[in-house]
Amino acid sequence: AQTVTQSQPEMSVQEAETVTLSCTYDTSESNYYLFWYKQPPSRQMILVIRQEAYKQQNATENRFSVNFQKAAKSFSLKISDSQLGDTAMYFCAFMKSAGGGGADGLTFGKGTHLIIQP
Amino acid sequence: DTGVSQDPRHKITKRGQNVTFRCDPISEHNRLYWYRQTLGQGPEFLTYFQNEAQLEKSRLLSDRFSAERPKGSFSTLEIQRTEQGDSAMYLCASSFQGGRGYTFGSGTRLTVV
Repeated sequence: AQTVTQSQPEMSVQEAETVTLSCTYDTSESNYYLFWYKQPPSRQMILVIRQEAYKQQNATENRFSVNFQKAAKSFSLKISDSQLGDTAMYFCAFMKSAGGGGADGLTFGKGTHLIIQP
Repeated sequence: DTGVSQDPRHKITKRGQNVTFRCDPISEHNRLYWYRQTLGQGPEFLTYFQNEAQLEKSRLLSDRFSAERPKGSFSTLEIQRTEQGDSAMYLCASSFQGGRGYTFGSGTRLTVV
């Protein structure tokens, strides 16, 4: 079974600062996907960024980037130039590579509550 | 298509009653998932459909829970004889290919009193 650990229950930074959220995971799989999801208060969960484990290059999406260290089983999220709208719960999630068959359920961490202060 | 829709948004029920939730996925998506999220926790996988076939159920899904996806379109999740421990947010998500990530609905918040 896979486990995902987010060791920072809450983080608070000033607007425009850069913040890094940590995530570690444990798996015996060699092929898998990793995701960061954002859940604003009382709103639906939104995919922020995804990483395929077989790709060495770190994924980036505008102000969001990841530091994927496969050997260390680490998958941190960096948010640059943070904005008030970034305030939300952030969940790290793991998915086995389904290869076209079988279940591909996500295993989530407990989340990090990120607060961007004005 | 405006995304994944869930109905109702909120449901308050008395212990022992049955409840049913509905999820309408994005029409092009063949995969549909149900998750449960309790306060302060990440979502936990409940079950998964590919088209109309239910391919996996979590051990979290007790015999009181049943899910269907007739015709591979919308899905329903029924909880029979609800217990206070069933109080949670029930999330539905859909995808075309799981590895590309899901689109989540806004969830149904269930409160059992």
